[in-house]
This record gives sequence, structure tokens and C-alpha cells, in this order.
Amino acid sequence: QVQLVQSGAEVKKPGSSVKVSCKASGGTFSTYPVSWMRQAPGQGLEWMGRIIPILGMANYAQRFQGRVTITADKSTNTAYMELNSLTSEDTALYYCAVDTSIPYWGQGTLVTVSS
Amino acid sequence: NFMLTQPHSVSESPGKTVTISCTRNSGSIASSYVQWSQQRPGSSPTTVIYEDDQRPSGVPDRFSGSIDTSSNSASLTISGLKTEDEADYYCQSYDYNKQVFGGGTKLTVL
Repeated sequence: QVQLVQSGAEVKKPGSSVKVSCKASGGTFSTYPVSWMRQAPGQGLEWMGRIIPILGMANYAQRFQGRVTITADKSTNTAYMELNSLTSEDTALYYCAVDTSIPYWGQGTLVTVSS
Repeated sequence: NFMLTQPHSVSESPGKTVTISCTRNSGSIASSYVQWSQQRPGSSPTTVIYEDDQRPSGVPDRFSGSIDTSSNSASLTISGLKTEDEADYYCQSYDYNKQVFGGGTKLTVL
């Protein structure tokens, strides 16, 4: 069973960037899609994009296109999500999940954007 | 692009059975798998149903999933409700290489 461990909470200024990591253990990482979602306070889940690490190709939700970059390092079984031009509306919990037919989720990373 | 619509909230008593629906507004519900996730307060989501009707190991058989092409919807049914089932439930499916989530349903067990 795959386990995903995400990096710790971040506090960022408006206009800056944040990069969140997601490290996999306990299973094959590189051949399965790794997706990133976010959940604003009191809101539902929103898909941001995904990558298949062995291919290195990412695709993104239209509303984040141009502002988010998802990458993966096969050698360390780690995926990354970088979000630029942060505003207060980007304050949310950010989750990664690997879809091995059974989606496994990370524990979430709180990103707070505040001046 | 399609949308998945869930009821905002449902409530039922312990020991009873509840069904949460997830309706797809365009394209066939059968054209891509549906997953269901459970999110308890303060926790990250966990998968309770994958590939329409499959249960991961460790998920009680009180949880079941199905799809209905006539209503173009998927359903999550939880029988023998327990207070620990109180959570938010999300359906999710695929639109080519993108994922689509339903808005979530808050299940109250009272």
C-alpha cells in the first residue's frame, strides 16, 4: 500500500510562490498518475492537475493553467506542486493523491497567504 | 467538460441505511470510473469505493457503490450506519486526462 507524506505548512505573502512536496513510499510511484487537489476553508475538493512521473508530462485544470507547475523526481519518489502569484484566495489545504486504481491520499499541507 | 452533482447534506439514524447520489450532467456515467472518498472532520480524504463498486481492503462491507445508466448517476450506500460514518463524502470521475469532483455531501448520523 502506497503512503504519501507531504511537506509542512507554509505561510506566504501575496504575490509570492509556494512549492509543496509529496513523497511516496511502500509501492511503485513512477507509473501511476499523481494528482494535486486543494480545499479552501469550509469548501469542497478542487482538482488542480496531475503528472505521470515516468512520462514527466503534466496536465492542469484550466483555471490554474499558467500559474501551477507539477513536477516529479523518479529517483526520490517525490512529486512537487508549485503555485505562483499567490493571493489570499489560495489559502487552502493542498493534497496529493496517487491513483493506483485505488487513490491514496497524502495528509495535506496548509498554505496560508497573508500580508 | 461535465459536472458531478451531489446532495449538499443527508442525515439518518444509527443502524439505518443511507444512499448518496452523484449525478453526471453530460456524457455517460459508465464512460469512466467513479471513486468515492470519505473525509472525516480534520482529516484527509480516504477512498471507500473505487472503480464504481470496488472496496479497498479495510473498508467495511457496509459500504457499497453502484452506477445507474438510466439516471446517469453513481451511488454510495452505507448500511448499518454508525456514528463514525459521520463525514463528508465526495464522488470523483475522469474527463479524459482530468479529474472531476462532486461538491461533496455531509452525512450526519443522529
